[in-house]
Amino acid sequence: DAKTTQPPSMDCAEGRAANLPCNHSTISGNEYVYWYRQIHSQGPQYIIHGLKNNETNEMASLIITEDRKSSTLILPHATLRDTAVYYCIVRPYSNSGYALNFGKGTSLLVTP
Amino acid sequence: ETGVTQSPTHLIKTRGQQVTLRCSSQSGHNTVSWYQQALGQGPQFIFQYYREEENGRGNFPPRFSGLQFPNYSSELNVNALELDDSALYLCASSLAVAGASNEQFFGPGTRLTVL
Repeated sequence: DAKTTQPPSMDCAEGRAANLPCNHSTISGNEYVYWYRQIHSQGPQYIIHGLKNNETNEMASLIITEDRKSSTLILPHATLRDTAVYYCIVRPYSNSGYALNFGKGTSLLVTP
Repeated sequence: ETGVTQSPTHLIKTRGQQVTLRCSSQSGHNTVSWYQQALGQGPQFIFQYYREEENGRGNFPPRFSGLQFPNYSSELNVNALELDDSALYLCASSLAVAGASNEQFFGPGTRLTVL
């Protein structure tokens, strides 16, 4: 699986957009970009995934560059409850089982 | 629809002992994965079970073993516990179906402390 690089930490003011970057320069054509987050003392939570088109759901938006070598997760109006570690993961899309290769992620702190 | 549950929530063992952790999958899911998360690190994949068979394994020694039952619940067994086995153990369930995106849904974890 392709390796990802994320900044270790970021701050964001409550109510502002949080933009979390991820580099995945070795991504293969059949690999998707997935984002999970982990709030303190809880299990990771799925946020969103995409292949090459931008994606949006009720939680966030995912912007993938045209060359697919990087992406940005956007939380449009961050709240204090969005304080968590955010993991960017690339993996092949498969109809069978797969392992998620978590790195260290980005620790996002949302401040009042 | 019930989510992924794990038991116990906390556990304290001593070196050399054996431990069994349990996981109940989300309703309708047929695949269970186990992860180990050391303090300050991201989760590390241990192994995955699909339809009661091991379907992939990470870089963990054979003293880490597992089972999946016909109702898709699962157990993680660790023999000869070492101090470094102290971690949060996470279980995740998913539905392996052609055409599905197969998101993994995680339980709250079991915190294991080895003294």
